[in-house]
Amino acid sequence: ETGVTQTPRHLVMGMTNKKSLKCEQHLGHNAMYWYKQSAKKPLELMFVYNFKEQTENNSVPSRFSPECPNSSHLFLHLHTLQPEDSALYLCASTPGDNSPLHFGNGTRLTVT
Amino acid sequence: DAKTTQPTSMDCAEGRAANLPCNHSTISGNEYVYWYRQIHSQGPQYIIHGLKNNETNEMASLIITEDRKSSTLILPHATLRDTAVYYCIVRVFWGRDDKIIFGKGTRLHILP
Repeated sequence: ETGVTQTPRHLVMGMTNKKSLKCEQHLGHNAMYWYKQSAKKPLELMFVYNFKEQTENNSVPSRFSPECPNSSHLFLHLHTLQPEDSALYLCASTPGDNSPLHFGNGTRLTVT
Repeated sequence: DAKTTQPTSMDCAEGRAANLPCNHSTISGNEYVYWYRQIHSQGPQYIIHGLKNNETNEMASLIITEDRKSSTLILPHATLRDTAVYYCIVRVFWGRDDKIIFGKGTRLHILP
């Protein structure tokens, strides 16, 4: 148990659907991250939030929209996705300084 | 892009020490070396990190060369549960540029 909880664990959605992924941590961490992991590829950093402020958008298409309403919650809103967006989406958090990342177990997304 | 290079895969016999190398020849003076591992269908798990001194914890040891251009993660008595992808990462002291980029990692197979 890492202290970072992601829901749902699995999600199947059509290309015209709108869905949201949720990440929650009660570790008191100030920074939260979204990563995408496609099959047989390294983890790709998508977004970084520090103290609820987005500090990194790694050229992510606008069909992915992050939201960080408070320091404990992070959302990834999805709309009009493509089949190539099917992947494992991982959330992570860290308190800052050089402390390690704590990862959730991800949401396995399938776009049909 | 990731600033580290690792072998694609390695095998190790159960009960023996697993030594995983990592090259980070362009590492800067304020960048730490971190190791994570990812077991299938789970989020990455933190193992250990260091700046320039060798480090040891309950999971592993980290040996960093004097010039800091390479390091080795040592799992002293590998078990079947250590089969995973191991990632070596360099990371600047936390700040607005804390992007934490993952490479392809080393797939470690522990053989019975």
